Amino acid sequence: DIQMTQSPSSLSASVGDRVTITCRASQSINNYLNWYQQKPGRAPKLLIHAASTLQSGVPSRFSGNGSGAEFTLTISSLQPDDFVTYYCQQSYRTPPTFGQGTKVEI
Amino acid sequence: EVQLVESGGGLVQPGGSLRLSCAASGFTFSNYWMHWVRQAPGKGLVWVSRVNSDGSSASYADSVKGRFTISRNNAKNMLYLQMNSLRAEDTAVYYCARESWSSNWYVDNWGQGTLVAVSS
Repeated sequence: DIQMTQSPSSLSASVGDRVTITCRASQSINNYLNWYQQKPGRAPKLLIHAASTLQSGVPSRFSGNGSGAEFTLTISSLQPDDFVTYYCQQSYRTPPTFGQGTKVEI
Repeated sequence: EVQLVESGGGLVQPGGSLRLSCAASGFTFSNYWMHWVRQAPGKGLVWVSRVNSDGSSASYADSVKGRFTISRNNAKNMLYLQMNSLRAEDTAVYYCARESWSSNWYVDNWGQGTLVAVSS
């Protein structure tokens, strides 16, 4: 199975900060990388697919980058609603696998 | 509007069985591959199973292979997960999820989840 490792596991930031979350795959996955946001007690929500394509309706402060085995999710200016957990997921090979999550805290 | 509504969760004893259902609406269900993804309390997301659009092909996580069966009824717009020989480690919220595709596949819609608790 392809292992997905996110860093950091948690981070502290303030409203308005720029933050970057990294996701590393245990092998090259081309650009078969998706990012999800999950609020407490809620289902995940798709933010970005194919490493850098912003899902319709997602604010432009979210961006994704990378290819091969290293990817980043950047939030350009944190808003109060963004202090939640983020997951990366590879869709290159079955089984699809998720990173362990990154919790963004105030 | 796409809607996925899970049901069938609950408390079950180890070794028991449960069938989860997911009612789909707001899209042409028969055109989409569907997934089940679970999340243990306080833990991350774990993929469980996937079924293709006509139900003829399925894949499973190693941890549930031989115990869980995914199926669908396209005439009723329903997705199912039959779970047998349940273990404590199967305790989780189970999400029904729709797969979409552009240059790769991704989950673009999720249900609200249904909680399965395996305990004596």
